[in-house]
Amino acid sequence: RKEVEQDPGPFNVPEGATVAFNCTYSNSASQSFFWYRQDCRKEPKLLMSVYSSGNEDGRFTAQLNRASQYISLLIRDSKLSDSATYLCVVNTATSGTYKYIFGTGTRLKVLA
Amino acid sequence: DTGVSQNPRHKITKRGQNVTFRCDPISEHNRLYWYRQTLGQGPEFLTYFQNEAQLEKSRLLSDRFSAERPKGSFSTLEIQRTEQGDSAMYLCASSFGTSNEKLFFGSGTQLSVL
Repeated sequence: RKEVEQDPGPFNVPEGATVAFNCTYSNSASQSFFWYRQDCRKEPKLLMSVYSSGNEDGRFTAQLNRASQYISLLIRDSKLSDSATYLCVVNTATSGTYKYIFGTGTRLKVLA
Repeated sequence: DTGVSQNPRHKITKRGQNVTFRCDPISEHNRLYWYRQTLGQGPEFLTYFQNEAQLEKSRLLSDRFSAERPKGSFSTLEIQRTEQGDSAMYLCASSFGTSNEKLFFGSGTQLSVL
């Protein structure tokens, strides 16, 4: 089983739609969680950190469920510019080391 | 530009040759990571430095791969006797402080082994 799992998609949605992505992780000792966005042939860039109480940044909402070991990302009012791959990232700290593990990514295409 | 810098951006080599990539992290960042990414996959962890110490290396990494971070500044990743399966984007990232700190990525080095 992969440490971090995501549905690879693609998710094809019309402009203005709401879309949600989920991610599950296997290591219950994982401490911090992030969503990164990656455009084609570019490096990943941080979209948002995910906090235990859930957090929102404009049209984006992230949730964490530690009991079920999953993270979600909700995008409201999708824009064409939201088309990208969304990577779930889990950080596990063990004996002073910090290892960031990425999911395979979920591809989103927003259609006009 | 004070971001993470990687060189070269592209490298084409013949099978069997050695290649070396360089990463200059953000200056105050004490942690440096190397990842490999192939098409349709997420970045795959290769190795991790805290200052000059290499703290973890992926079991997937063969003995042909080696990384260094002398003096805890820039890092190099060397691949010896390259194989076609080594063709990928090699990404470097850096961070600082606690586990809640985000990773900052360089633009990557695209390796093509012919």
